[in-house]
Amino acid sequence: DTAVSQTPKYLVTQMGNDKSIKCEQNLGHDTMYWYKQDSKKFLKIMFSYNNKELIINETVPNRFSPKSPDKAHLNLHINSLELGDSAVYFCASSQGGGATRLNTEAFFGQGTRLTVV
Amino acid sequence: GEDVEQSLFLSVREGDSSVINCTYTDSSSTYLYWYKQEPGAGLQLLTYIFSNMDMKQDQRLTVLLNKKDKHLSLRIADTQTGDSAIYFCAEDRRGNTDKLIFGTGTRLQVFP
Repeated sequence: DTAVSQTPKYLVTQMGNDKSIKCEQNLGHDTMYWYKQDSKKFLKIMFSYNNKELIINETVPNRFSPKSPDKAHLNLHINSLELGDSAVYFCASSQGGGATRLNTEAFFGQGTRLTVV
Repeated sequence: GEDVEQSLFLSVREGDSSVINCTYTDSSSTYLYWYKQEPGAGLQLLTYIFSNMDMKQDQRLTVLLNKKDKHLSLRIADTQTGDSAIYFCAEDRRGNTDKLIFGTGTRLQVFP
């Protein structure tokens, strides 16, 4: 039933490890996003994919590598985790990804709380 | 989120009206949104307004848009304790790439 689902919900890991967060949407949307919410609750876009193609990469360290095997999935892999990577990561999806789209309503997953120790 | 400004906190008594303000930056934004984030949860779309409107009402929610001043507000009538959450405004910033840019969030605390 869940429109946008992320796994895991919580992730605690040590510095230097590599981890992945998975995201799947069953809405038939063709655009997916990753957002990062820091401890002050600021939300910032990290990546946007449209039909498996990278559209937005907001100067995120290249330790972060998104992968979209198909348009229903956008996974986030993080190498060599650092303390500053601790945050809540939100996946989202929307229909349309260009200037012709009429509505940019984005649906969000529940978030993955990543804690790096 | 620094480009879209909101006040950080708002405290209201149950039953009163709450008004959450937002100042955005891009006059070409087509849609403006209000999202709600309850503790430990993801974001939930509350309502949105198309940029050629100046008001939209949806049950207890009223959105006002002043496009000239790039000012957006969300009024919650008869605020309840269940309305306690963080509220984010967001603008749909269009251009070569389309992005949803969020405000800094306003933490609404409703007390009895």
